[in-house]
Amino acid sequence: NAGVMQNPRHLVRRRGQEARLRCSPMKGHSHVYWYRQLPEEGLKFMVYLQKENIIDESGMPKERFSAEFPKEGPSILRIQQVVRGDSAAYFCASSRTGGTGMNTEAFFGQGTRLTVV
Amino acid sequence: DAKTTQPPSMDCAEGRAANLPCNHSTISGNEYVYWYRQIHSQGPQYIIHGLKNNETNEMASLIITEDRKSSTLILPHATLRDTAVYYCIVSEAGNNRKLIWGLGTSLAVNP
Repeated sequence: NAGVMQNPRHLVRRRGQEARLRCSPMKGHSHVYWYRQLPEEGLKFMVYLQKENIIDESGMPKERFSAEFPKEGPSILRIQQVVRGDSAAYFCASSRTGGTGMNTEAFFGQGTRLTVV
Repeated sequence: DAKTTQPPSMDCAEGRAANLPCNHSTISGNEYVYWYRQIHSQGPQYIIHGLKNNETNEMASLIITEDRKSSTLILPHATLRDTAVYYCIVSEAGNNRKLIWGLGTSLAVNP
């Protein structure tokens, strides 16, 4: 059973370019979460999606950032016009359910390390 | 801000038990205690979670005090591969969006 798959593992972009990060959740998981981790800091929640719906985007910057989780295919985190401050590790996690009790724990991918030069 | 307090670093000898403490004095009645770890340059790995009873799985044991204001993660026989940053997080069950990550405890397992 493959875990959460993220690609690419490393991404280098010049200032002003677009960065597109992909996340395929674990099989049977329909809830996806994106987190950002700056060096020497803990993870910060960005957005929570369920198939075709954004449930909570309270942690995502209002400008330049967007996320989607289409009916078919991976979840995408898109960063337009990247700046140096966007350099970070971006982690995706998935869970089977989003409610309470069993099967709610989140499983994380290996992350995408974005470097903006 | 994270609702938990953990020591920034700990050492443990290989083969010995590693006991990682966590204070969460403001935990509310419907919040669980979750433990994750992050090995350098990898994604966080779920370890265990509990509400008020002690929990055990193949990775670790979680001991929660009766007043639920603190807990201890126990790795019974630490190995070098357990060297990682360990995060203690309190959250409503299923509320993965609200996992608020502090700086964790950096555990070094020494040979």
